[in-house]
Amino acid sequence: DAKTTQPTSMDCAEGRAANLPCNHSTISGNEYVYWYRQIHSQGPQYIIHGLKNNETNEMASLIITEDRKSSTLILPHATLRDTAVYYCIATSGGSNYKLTFGKGTLLTVNP
Amino acid sequence: DSGVTQTPKHLITATGQRVTLRCSPRSGDLSVYWYQQSLDQGLQFLIQYYNGEERAKGNILERFSAQQFPDLHSELNLSSLELGDSALYFCASSDTSGRGELFFGEGSRLTVL
Repeated sequence: DAKTTQPTSMDCAEGRAANLPCNHSTISGNEYVYWYRQIHSQGPQYIIHGLKNNETNEMASLIITEDRKSSTLILPHATLRDTAVYYCIATSGGSNYKLTFGKGTLLTVNP
Repeated sequence: DSGVTQTPKHLITATGQRVTLRCSPRSGDLSVYWYQQSLDQGLQFLIQYYNGEERAKGNILERFSAQQFPDLHSELNLSSLELGDSALYFCASSDTSGRGELFFGEGSRLTVL
């Protein structure tokens, strides 16, 4: 899996968009970018993933740069319940999704 | 609710003891993963099983072992417990769709005194 780098922490005001960056400069062509989040001591929750195109689902949007060396997870209207540690993971997947979680970004949504 | 069930939710035991953590994956999921999360180590991948067979191994200690049974539930056995084994142990499952989405249970919190 390619190494990913994320800021340790970020703050966001409730109702505003939260933009969480991730650098994965050594990502290879067959590696996807996955985002998970973990709300305090709960099991991690899948958010979204993508290869090279931008992706959107009911939870978030994922913007991947054209050179695929970085990406941004966007929570369009952050709520207090979005306060969590967000993990960016680059992996080729296949049948072995032994995801390697780094330290992630602690996003704190403030009222 | 992810559909992954882990028992027990909490477990307190003494050093040197042995415990078994149980995981029931989502209906139809063939893969089961075990992760350990301690305060200073973050989420560490331990081991993966696919349809009863070990598929991948991570930083799992020799004192730990796991298996997946024909009904696809899995057990993680931790023996000769040490204080440092105190952690949250998560089980996750995935299907074979190739999407790479893991569904995590709520974890088993192990405290070794």
